[in-house]
Amino acid sequence: DAMVIQNPRYQVTQFGKPVTLSCSQTLNHNVMYWYQQKSSQAPKLLFHYYDKDFNNEADTPDNFQSRRPNTSFCFLDIRSPGLGDAAMYLCATSGGGGDYNEQFFGPGTRLTVL
Amino acid sequence: QKEVEQNSGPLSVPEGAIASLNCTYSDRGSQSFFWYRQYSGKSPELIMFIYSNGDKEDGRFTAQLNKASQYVSLLIRDSQPSDSATYLCAVSRSNDYKLSFGAGTTVTVRA
Repeated sequence: DAMVIQNPRYQVTQFGKPVTLSCSQTLNHNVMYWYQQKSSQAPKLLFHYYDKDFNNEADTPDNFQSRRPNTSFCFLDIRSPGLGDAAMYLCATSGGGGDYNEQFFGPGTRLTVL
Repeated sequence: QKEVEQNSGPLSVPEGAIASLNCTYSDRGSQSFFWYRQYSGKSPELIMFIYSNGDKEDGRFTAQLNKASQYVSLLIRDSQPSDSATYLCAVSRSNDYKLSFGAGTTVTVRA
């Protein structure tokens, strides 16, 4: 089945220790997104790629970076995690064509910062 | 003013009843409207999308869109305990790859 996969599902890191989250997709979608979602809040878009074109949200902290080495994979790097970065990180994809922008989410990575 | 607003709930309905969820948005350029269901600790799952004014039905779910009033709603008929979740409303502009999400309405279906 075509899908969006995220690894790991749960990640525990220490304050200030870099961490990388990964996302892969078999949907062959052009656009990949990274969201941060905290409890009882809306998903907050961090950045997205249209193919290799990177788009950063204005309020995304510099501590967050991303790489998309090919169509299928996208990574989220958190250079120096703080306690406030503990959250669910969601990867999503969309076809990026026309007027319709249905996004499909992976299962998420729950990040704990000790 | 938030771009997308929803009542946070919780909305408690008895099993078999209709759950009615509302969402308003501020950007008149919004063209695409989505409802996602999110179970606790899980990721959002797309359950409905609507692009034109009026009603769109899919099984027990009906989405209603009124662009003039800038609101979109979701009705869940014959509510089941498995419908207990948070429902996120999301909107986007035409040819805009980004979605603006509301904070969600939590629905609890009482058996």
